[in-house]
Amino acid sequence: ETGVTQSPTHLIKTRGQQVTLRCSSQSGHNTVSWYQQALGQGPQFIFQYYREEENGRGNFPPRFSGLQFPNYSSELNVNALELDDSALYLCASSSYRESTYEQYFGPGTRLTVT
Amino acid sequence: AQSVSQHNHHVILSEAASLELGCNYSYGGTVNLFWYVQYPGQHLQLLLKYFSGDPLVKGIKGFEAEFIKSKFSFNLRKPSVQWSDTAEYFCAVTVTGGGNKLTFGTGTQLKVEL
Repeated sequence: ETGVTQSPTHLIKTRGQQVTLRCSSQSGHNTVSWYQQALGQGPQFIFQYYREEENGRGNFPPRFSGLQFPNYSSELNVNALELDDSALYLCASSSYRESTYEQYFGPGTRLTVT
Repeated sequence: AQSVSQHNHHVILSEAASLELGCNYSYGGTVNLFWYVQYPGQHLQLLLKYFSGDPLVKGIKGFEAEFIKSKFSFNLRKPSVQWSDTAEYFCAVTVTGGGNKLTFGTGTQLKVEL
């Protein structure tokens, strides 16, 4: 069974640029969630995708957008990058979208905005 | 909206000492409670979870947690820590009926000294 994978591992971008982060969910999982973890903080929920549709969103502006593909992999896109977007971005997958289903986390993508 | 508080940001213990990490949540409805651990250089992984039933739950590696509804608390305990328990610990909740959106605390960095 393959776990959750994310790419790239690290990324450096300039303020104002756009970035795309990728996540492959664990085998058999149809729900993917994205979290932002700033330094010294706990992960914060960005949004969740279930069967290719957005299924809940946290307190993040519209320049954070996402996609889920038929194979349940997912992308997180961030436009007009700001310095405060520098963080570890975590992807998590679960076998269903309900609150009692365990989420399995990937290793994260470290984004630095200069 | 729900929130999670972890009172201890940094804890230093000697091997064989007992551990208790505090976690309180605020939400008036039914919650599901989790403790996640992040060992240095590794993914976030689930230590234990509580959905219903016996409020004392046991997890991996000798950890346990007790849900006290009247205190909105879910403290993590271990009778005797080991050097390998050095890690960051996160308490998190989901809300029943609110989808699989984890709300995390800010984390507790535990260092166990030999």
